[in-house]
Amino acid sequence: SQQGEEDPQALSIQEGENATMNCSYKTSINNLQWYRQNSGRGLVHLILIRSNEREKHSGRLRVTLDTSKKSSSLLITASRAADTASYFCAWLSGSNDYKLSFGAGTTVTVRA
Amino acid sequence: GAGVSQSPSNKVTEKGKDVELRCDPISGHTALYWYRQRLGQGLEFLIYFQGNSAPDKSGLPSDRFSAERTGESVSTLTIQRTQQEDSAVYLCASSFSPSGSPYEQYFGPGTRLTVT
Repeated sequence: SQQGEEDPQALSIQEGENATMNCSYKTSINNLQWYRQNSGRGLVHLILIRSNEREKHSGRLRVTLDTSKKSSSLLITASRAADTASYFCAWLSGSNDYKLSFGAGTTVTVRA
Repeated sequence: GAGVSQSPSNKVTEKGKDVELRCDPISGHTALYWYRQRLGQGLEFLIYFQGNSAPDKSGLPSDRFSAERTGESVSTLTIQRTQQEDSAVYLCASSFSPSGSPYEQYFGPGTRLTVT
């Protein structure tokens, strides 16, 4: 069962615009990760942010983490058609160091 | 190098039949995971193998589900007496080591199971 939420469920933007999606979770976490899933394919790891970090950048990706609000956001800047995919947040909590819990995902469509 | 591979990519089966799904992890990865993804949802953890340790089967939804792994290689997920609610994409992932966070899981393309 889902232990968190992502919003929006779907997002449609024009190429070049920024895309922002949010993830909320319910437990204390060790780290939070973001994955991308292209249609019909497996997940690709994008970025990981530790519980003691507040912001992290990787290329056109920016992730924030607010542990007091139990939320994270993923920003994709200057979007491209190739960014069209579903994006999932996932986290490890408590003493567990392998069992990822996933959000329901945000489907992003980038229009050329 | 080769990534995680899964077979078959698609499987259609009749309700009540047994199915076997296969996962070949990345060579050298000691940890292997199975997840289930229902349409429009995130992934649900099913089972975790780490080396020769006893697997964590806490995510298996019923006793119709079982999984085996030979050493640190191939794994098979078996679903007996399939039901329509078993229809989903079954994803396998592997990682070099689960301990010493952070780590990254590498996912296969999944097997899409449809139970009619």
